[in-house]
Amino acid sequence: ETGVTQTPRHLVMGMTNKKSLKCEQHLGHNAMYWYKQSAKKPLELMFVYSLEERVENNSVPSRFSPECPNSSHLFLHLHTLQPEDSALYLCASSRQGATEQYFGPGTRLTVT
Amino acid sequence: AQSVTQLDSQVPVFEEAPVELRCNYSSSVSVYLFWYVQYPNQGLQLLLKYLSGSTLVESINGFEAEFNKSQTSFHLRKPSVHISDTAEYFCAVRITGNQFYFGTGTSLTVIP
Repeated sequence: ETGVTQTPRHLVMGMTNKKSLKCEQHLGHNAMYWYKQSAKKPLELMFVYSLEERVENNSVPSRFSPECPNSSHLFLHLHTLQPEDSALYLCASSRQGATEQYFGPGTRLTVT
Repeated sequence: AQSVTQLDSQVPVFEEAPVELRCNYSSSVSVYLFWYVQYPNQGLQLLLKYLSGSTLVESINGFEAEFNKSQTSFHLRKPSVHISDTAEYFCAVRITGNQFYFGTGTSLTVIP
């Protein structure tokens, strides 16, 4: 596998479920990101992990919980989501201080 | 505050015609500028970037963008589009550190 991979590619979950999204990068990068992509809205940066530090967007609800066990893996734990959380969740990686990001294909999440 | 504005949400254009996708940003400091492309069911891919130097930057598939500091713009152009250019295009800026800001995207549809 090369680049940035995300699993699952599609996820349907009820509001009471708990699930996790996984991201893995094979590029030797040391910064990873979670974005939320909703129709007709700018990509929303949710979390950044860089050199084992975490930066988060204060507007992200606590029902989203990130985990970064090492520089190659990033998780997004989901619990008691709302229908408005349905979106495409994109993972990206970069080298610390680099000028560009590399994106995974995304996980299409539907909350019913 | 930083922001990126993509003035056109949808741009239909006939095959082999020229196209311009507009992007304006607001920032009081120096920025790096990017255009990303997203094909259906895929993540974002870097199309081209401006870091410094020549204000005109080009991609390998015929797109170009020009950084205009006085107008705070970074419009994307192609003199002759192909069917395969149909995709969503995102303008983005990086200010400092790992903070990237994206526009809402422009959907380019090439009509045969």
